[in-house]
Amino acid sequence: AQTVTQSQPEMSVQEAETVTLSCTYDTSESDYYLFWYKQPPSRQMILVIRQEAYKQQNATENRFSVNFQKAAKSFSLKISDSQLGDAAMYFCANPDMRFGAGTRLTVKP
Amino acid sequence: DVKVTQSSRYLVKRTGEKVFLECVQDMDHENMFWYRQDPGLGLRLIYFSYDVKMKEKGDIPEGYSVSREKKERFSLILESASTNQTSMYLCASRKTGGYWQPQHFGDGTRLSIL
Repeated sequence: AQTVTQSQPEMSVQEAETVTLSCTYDTSESDYYLFWYKQPPSRQMILVIRQEAYKQQNATENRFSVNFQKAAKSFSLKISDSQLGDAAMYFCANPDMRFGAGTRLTVKP
Repeated sequence: DVKVTQSSRYLVKRTGEKVFLECVQDMDHENMFWYRQDPGLGLRLIYFSYDVKMKEKGDIPEGYSVSREKKERFSLILESASTNQTSMYLCASRKTGGYWQPQHFGDGTRLSIL
């Protein structure tokens, strides 16, 4: 299976600050999407943002943006103006529906 | 909104029992998936199904089987439960027809095998 690596098991950020979560991936696809999902404590996993590999422009959804480097197979998630509600597990997923080990984000008031 | 419903939030079973985990989605999605989630390992794909009566092994199928007799329902079966199958199990569905389609997840079933 094509692997997904999240090298940061835990991250912490001060409220209103910016944090970047890392992800590297593997895929044999030529045209594909990558995904970041958020899993709040005891709650359902939901989509945060997705990136099409063919697009030069990094995806943005409000305070969430991506730093996508196709050649390096790197797909980082940047959260700006962090809020207490951003505290969660974050998972990145590759086109083969494989996930990384996750990063637990803590937001400090 | 897509709703993916897993039949139990918490389940306790005994070693050797046959265990059924049920998942139902209400949006006519073709693809359905079963993952197990363990701390430090993330989500690992057990089985997936592209459509009714179809199934494909994921990365850790040993000790599990699945059934998809109807499009909306995807069942995970632990043939003879063992303690190392204690885990959180997540079901997901996804519409086919485009790489951009995300997965939609259920709330998860926390399964304990004693």
